[in-house]
Amino acid sequence: AQRVTQPEKLLSVFKGAPVELKCNYSYSGSPELFWYVQYSRQRLQLLLRHISRESIKGFTADLNKGETSFHLKKPFAQEEDSAMYYCARMIKAAGNKLTFGGGTRVLVKP
Amino acid sequence: GAVVSQHPSWVICKSGTSVKIECRSLDFQATTMFWYRQFPKQSLMLMATSNEGSKATYEQGVEKDKFLINHASLTLSTLTVTSAHPEDSSFYICSADVGDFRAFFGQGTRLTVV
Repeated sequence: AQRVTQPEKLLSVFKGAPVELKCNYSYSGSPELFWYVQYSRQRLQLLLRHISRESIKGFTADLNKGETSFHLKKPFAQEEDSAMYYCARMIKAAGNKLTFGGGTRVLVKP
Repeated sequence: GAVVSQHPSWVICKSGTSVKIECRSLDFQATTMFWYRQFPKQSLMLMATSNEGSKATYEQGVEKDKFLINHASLTLSTLTVTSAHPEDSSFYICSADVGDFRAFFGQGTRLTVV
C-alpha cells in the first residue's frame, strides 16, 4: 500500500538539543513531500515542502529518493517547537491528494 | 496566507439526525477541496475530494451516501453526515489548495453523536 511512515510517535528533547523527525514514504515515482505542523489549539499548517528547499523556523528537510526518506531536522530545538508534526506526500497524478504519516509529537523541555 | 474556515467548530447531534459542515475559502477560489477525518491520537485520513461543479471522489471504504459532499461554488464545500451514529463522532477537517500544491486547512469540526 502507498503510505507515509513516521516511526516515532513522541520525541522529547531538551531546549538547545538537535531534533530529527523521521519520515519514510513508499512511492516509485516522484512525489511531492511536505511537513505540516499543528501547534496546540491551532489548525494544521504547512511548515515546509521539499520542492522549495528552504529552511523554515530553523527546520530543514532533505528528500532522499534512494532511501525514500524526508527527515525533518533542527539543530537547536526551542520550546516553541513543541507541537505535532506530520509528514505528507502528494502525488500529482492522483489529484493532488495528501497522504499523511501518523504524526510525531515533539516535546521540547526547558 | 490563504484562509479556510469551517463551520461549526463543534456540534452535538442525536443519533439518526443529519448534520452539515461547511468549508469556505475566504480569500481565494478553490476548485478542489478535501475532507479528512481524524480520530483521537491518530492521523488525518482522506475521506473524499470535493470538486466544484461535479461529483465528489470518495476514498475506498467511505460511504458516499452517508457522507454527502456538495461543492456548489468556488468558495464553499459542504459535508453532510446523514443518519449519524455514535461511531461517526470524530474530528472532520477540510483543506483547499491555492494552486501551487500548498494546502490550507480549516480549523476542524468536532462532531459528537449522542
